[in-house]
Amino acid sequence: QVQLQESGPGRVKPSETLSLTCTVSGGSVSGDYWSWVRQPPGKGLEWIGYIYYSGSTKYNPSLKSRVTISIDTSMNQFSLKLNSVTAADTAVYYCARFIPGAYYFDYWGRGTLVTVSS
Amino acid sequence: QSVLTQPPSVSEAPRQRVTISCSGSGSNIGNNAVNWYQQFPGRAPKLLIYFDDQLPSGVPDRFSGSKSGTAASLAISGLQSDDEADYFCAAWDDTLNGPVFGGGTKLTVL
Repeated sequence: QVQLQESGPGRVKPSETLSLTCTVSGGSVSGDYWSWVRQPPGKGLEWIGYIYYSGSTKYNPSLKSRVTISIDTSMNQFSLKLNSVTAADTAVYYCARFIPGAYYFDYWGRGTLVTVSS
Repeated sequence: QSVLTQPPSVSEAPRQRVTISCSGSGSNIGNNAVNWYQQFPGRAPKLLIYFDDQLPSGVPDRFSGSKSGTAASLAISGLQSDDEADYFCAAWDDTLNGPVFGGGTKLTVL
């Protein structure tokens, strides 16, 4: 059973960079697509972007200028960096495995709340 | 504002059947598969339906999905109190070139 676990600071100051890592266990990141999705408190889900194990990426156009997703196959991890954050970036951030073709997320991490506040 | 439109809430009595609608456009639901997620408070979303009407292993067949044109529906029969959760629809959007979600529907079992 594939399991994902997000890790990173729970609080980031405005204008700084949000950095999160997702560690995959019970399977390998190789061969698959991996994604970040966020959910502001009390609101719906928003796709941030995904990365293929080879390193190719695709980002949500609304966030593309501020987002970088990277992958480390040797550590079985992938990461998210979101720069120049504002209060609007406060959300629960989930990492998930993305299945192309049908375009669904089948395995999810438990999520981590990141609050943007000084 | 979400790309896909869902009713904010629905309610129904136990053992009854409820449907949750999801409306989109030709660039998403009209041209791509619809997926549904179930989310309990404080928990991660769980894949409930994929490829419009397919159930992942372990999901009871009380849950079913359908699609017609640019709209999709999730039906839950034999409602149980444990089904109280938020339900999200999702689909690939050819304009965004990425997945989009509905705003979510909160199901209350009366």
